[in-house]
Amino acid sequence: EVQLVESGGGLVQPGGSLRLSCAASGFTFSNYWMTWVRRAPGEGLQWVANIKQDGIGKYYADSVKGRFTISRDNAKESLSLQMNSLRAEDTAVYYCARAPGADESTRTTELDYWGQGTLVTVSS
Amino acid sequence: SSELTQDPAVSVALGQTVRITCQGDSLRRYYATWYQQKPGQAPVLAIYGENNRPSWIPDRISGSRSGNTASLTITGARAEDEADYYCNSRDSSGNHLVFGGGTKVTVL
Repeated sequence: EVQLVESGGGLVQPGGSLRLSCAASGFTFSNYWMTWVRRAPGEGLQWVANIKQDGIGKYYADSVKGRFTISRDNAKESLSLQMNSLRAEDTAVYYCARAPGADESTRTTELDYWGQGTLVTVSS
Repeated sequence: SSELTQDPAVSVALGQTVRITCQGDSLRRYYATWYQQKPGQAPVLAIYGENNRPSWIPDRISGSRSGNTASLTITGARAEDEADYYCNSRDSSGNHLVFGGGTKVTVL
C-alpha cells in the first residue's frame, strides 16, 4: 500500500524557516517524480515544487522560487521542503504527492497518491 | 497561457447528471487530471489521461476532452460526490504544474 506521511508543520514567525518532511513507503521511491502542493485557507490547490527521480531536476512555482528548496533522499525514501523567508501568504496545508505526471516526457499530468498534509502557519 | 479556468460552483439534484469543465491552452498539448477533495481530507486522484479512473473512483465519474477544454461528468450524482473538484495540467514550459481554481459541487 502506497503511503505518504508529512511532518514538520507548525507555527512560525514571518521571516522564519521551517523544514517539511514526507516519508514514503509501499512503492519504489527512487522511480518516481515527487511534488509538493499546498492549499491556503479559503483558497484552491497551488503547486509548489517538483523534483525528478535523480534529485537533480527541480522546478518551483514563481511564488516560492529562491525561498523554498525541494530535496529527496532515495536511500531513506524521504522527500523534504526547506522553507525560508516565510510570509503570511505561505500559510497553508502542505501536501506531498507522488507525481508520475510531472515527467516532461509524458502528456499525462497526474499526482496519483497524496499524503494527509501538514499545516504551516506563518504569523507573529 | 498557463491558466486553467473552472466554474467556482455547481449544484446537482440527487441522481441527476452534472458536468464540470476546465479550460486552458495547455490542454491542447497535455491531458488534464481531476482530483476530488472533501472537507478536512487530502485530494484524491479521480480522472487522468484520456479517461482513466483509479480503483477507488466509481464508474459514474468519467472524463472527456475537446480542444482546450476538459470535462468531468458525474452521472447519477450521490451525496458522497459532494466535494471540491480540481483540474491540473502543465504550463507551456512543461516543467511546471498548474491547477484550476476548483469547482465546488453541491448535491441537493
